[in-house]
Amino acid sequence: SQTIHQWPATLVQPVGSPLSLECTVEGTSNPNLYWYRQAAGRGLQLLFYSVGIGQISSEVPQNLSASRPQDRQFILSSKKLLLSDSGFYLCAWIGQIGNTIYFGEGSWLTVV
Amino acid sequence: DAKTTQPPSMDCAEGRAANLPCNHSTISGNEYVYWYRQIHSQGPQYIIHGLKNNETNEMASLIITEDRKSSTLILPHATLRDTAVYYCIVRVDNYGQNFVFGPGTRLSVLP
Repeated sequence: SQTIHQWPATLVQPVGSPLSLECTVEGTSNPNLYWYRQAAGRGLQLLFYSVGIGQISSEVPQNLSASRPQDRQFILSSKKLLLSDSGFYLCAWIGQIGNTIYFGEGSWLTVV
Repeated sequence: DAKTTQPPSMDCAEGRAANLPCNHSTISGNEYVYWYRQIHSQGPQYIIHGLKNNETNEMASLIITEDRKSSTLILPHATLRDTAVYYCIVRVDNYGQNFVFGPGTRLSVLP
């Protein structure tokens, strides 16, 4: 069966510090991978998606970047965090059948 | 932008049916209607999806109008654990199509 994991689950980071959130998917190959962000009390905003290794599409301009070094690994990064980067970050994947999106457990980021 | 319109919030008594409406008047012929829900501090969870026929699974029923411009998600016997934000999404059932989430409906199941 397929599983998706992301970590860390929570983190508190000072303004200006770097960020690295990791996501891995097991039990499938060549998935489409996604990073979403949800600010407090708000809806889900698509940040990045990837259709393959090294292929990243950005949906909104921002202080964040994404990378896909391996088929089932997706990383969200920042060189210098801003207060506005605080939120709930969700990694997700869509398999080859393409009819359902599956989400990870989420990572709570608080920038102080 | 999301292609759907949902009420921002609804209440439902525990044990009663919860009927969550969704308008998608600009839906295309090859777009499916998907429903997800998000319990606080968790990732969204798939509930059900359909094209034009009504669908039912162990979680819910999906009723799509004949003109496909609206649909209703039915939770037949709501429990307190069904309290969540429910998202209605229209999307072509294709590997390359992204899921765009709107604000959804916050369903509160009351004891």
